Amino acid sequence: GENVEQHPSTLSVQEGDSAVIKCTYSDSASNYFPWYKQELGKRPQLIIDIRSNVGEKKDQRIAVTLNKTAKHFSLHITETQPEDSAVYFCAARRPNAGNMLTFGGGTRLMVKP
Amino acid sequence: DTGVSQDPRHKITKRGQNVTFRCDPISEHNRLYWYRQTLGQGPEFLTYFQNEAQLEKSRLLSDRFSAERPKGSFSTLEIQRTEQGDSAMYLCASSQGRGSETQYFGPGTRLLVL
Repeated sequence: GENVEQHPSTLSVQEGDSAVIKCTYSDSASNYFPWYKQELGKRPQLIIDIRSNVGEKKDQRIAVTLNKTAKHFSLHITETQPEDSAVYFCAARRPNAGNMLTFGGGTRLMVKP
Repeated sequence: DTGVSQDPRHKITKRGQNVTFRCDPISEHNRLYWYRQTLGQGPEFLTYFQNEAQLEKSRLLSDRFSAERPKGSFSTLEIQRTEQGDSAMYLCASSQGRGSETQYFGPGTRLLVL
């Protein structure tokens, strides 16, 4: 099956700095890669996703890059704000595998004002 | 609120008891998923329905776990003879299908087995 590794497990940045979270996946057949933000006690919420036919996608301060050859993808947050503080999860989906998502272990991002 | 809803939000039970959770997906979403999340970890897939058909089950889903989606709308997840290791957050998600892969999560049911 699929295996997703996520690094770092914790990340502390100063407000206004950039944050980068990296994930690797094992199954080259995976074709959809969402990122979720989960605040304490709340549901995971999709913040951005990318499909395997695209190398990069941007939405305001958030961007995701995908390297299919190396089987890794990254989340980039620019101009971080205290409200960006949360746990971020990457995930990968294999086609023909019931649409299940395999999640990484999460990154706790702390943005210091 | 038109998002995914789950009930109850919290459940405390004694070891050996049975528990049942309910998930109401977003209206007209034909795909429904159950995940389990333990503290400090990412969600782990349990099972998946397309309409009323259960199409995929994880090896995590022991024979004490059963899920149904009888009319292709809401779903229930039952755990029989609960064990302390079942303590976790149980998350439900739904997606539209038909080319839209985005999974929208519910608030979860936090289970504590004493």
